[in-house]
This record gives sequence, C-alpha cells and structure tokens, in this order.
Amino acid sequence: QLQLQESGPGLVKPSETLSLTCTVSGGSVSSTSYYWGWIRQPPGKGLEWIGTIYYSGSTYYNPSLKSRVTISVDTSKNQFSLKLNSVTAADTAVYFCARRYSSSFSFDFWGQGTLVTVSS
Amino acid sequence: QSALTQPASVSGSPGQSITISCTGTSSNVGGFNYVSWYQQHPGRAPKLMIYNVDNRPSGVSNRFSGSKSGNTASLTISGLQAEDEADFYCSSYTSSATLVFGGGTKLTVL
Repeated sequence: QLQLQESGPGLVKPSETLSLTCTVSGGSVSSTSYYWGWIRQPPGKGLEWIGTIYYSGSTYYNPSLKSRVTISVDTSKNQFSLKLNSVTAADTAVYFCARRYSSSFSFDFWGQGTLVTVSS
Repeated sequence: QSALTQPASVSGSPGQSITISCTGTSSNVGGFNYVSWYQQHPGRAPKLMIYNVDNRPSGVSNRFSGSKSGNTASLTISGLQAEDEADFYCSSYTSSATLVFGGGTKLTVL
C-alpha cells in the first residue's frame, strides 16, 4: 500500500532555508503515471499548492513562491524534496507531500503532514 | 494567482442535501475539466472526493457528486451524515499550468 512520509526540521529560523523530504513506500517516484507535489496549510487556514515534480525532473511552481522554492526528486532513494529559502513567520504551516495522477490534476494520496514553525 | 471562491460555511441536517460552490474564472474552473474536491477532518490530511469535475475515486460514497457550469463548480452531498462534517476544498488546474485551491468551506451537520 502506498505511503508518503514527510520528514525534516520542525523549527526553522527566519531568513534560513526550510528543507523537507517525502519518502515514498509501496510505490515508485519513477512511475510514468504520477507526479509528486507539495501543499501547505498555515494554522487555521486553507490549502496552498506549492509545486509539483515529475520523475524526469520537470517542475511546476506556485508563482507566488517560485522565486524561493526548489523541488527535486531522488529516484535512487525513492524520495522527493522541498526547499524554501528566506523563510518568514508567514511560512509557518503544515506541509503535506502528495501524489498526483498524471491524467488528472488531483492529489489522490497524501502524507500525514508535518508542522514547520518559523521562529527565532 | 487568486484563490477560488468558496462560501466560508454551509450547514444541513442529517438526511438533507447540501451544495458547496467553487467560483473561478475562464482561466481555471471554466477553462478546464480539472476541478477536484477534498474533504479534510481536523488534524488530518485532505482526502480526494471528486476529480475531473464529476469523477469519484474508488471507495468514495456515491452520496458525493460534482458538477460544473461555466466558471462555477459544485460539490453536492446527499443524505447528509454526521461524519460528513469537515472542511471541504476545491482545486483547479489553471492556464498557467499551475494549481489553485479554494479558500475552503466548513460543513456543519446540525
């Protein structure tokens, strides 16, 4: 059964870089049928799409975050990662990784999410 | 990119039907049949309920249905049950090859 698990620091200082990894088990990030994405949710607020990556390395980013975001994939480790630089308190959120079927633009499997707090 | 517009809250009694709207533009909802709906219970990850406007993933109750007219998509829940109480989010593909979510709707089962 497919599982996605986010990992990374739960506390990041302002102006530093937030780094998270999503480990995929029960499936392959190299599958040609799926894309892989990051979505975040500030406490008490709605969902925000961050970006999506294909196994080939093709990426798609939210325009509002594009200048600060990098999503990468490591097929040898069956993982994909998120880096968000120059963070501020506004980047405090639960960060979810998820799978997107290639023929739709919906996320059908999600990780449990991880809370990242930006604070000194 | 601006978020899609959803009502902040809707409510209904058990057994009733409710509809949640999701309004966008011709650059997102109106331009593509790639509207999705997610249900999120407190403290949990979102769950896909509808994809490509009106398709249900395997395992999702047929009490949930989706539709679209022009720039507005809708999620209808029939035979409302207590466990349906949750937050609901729509999302759409956009002409910029990005995704955008709605602001979310809190469903209360009275």
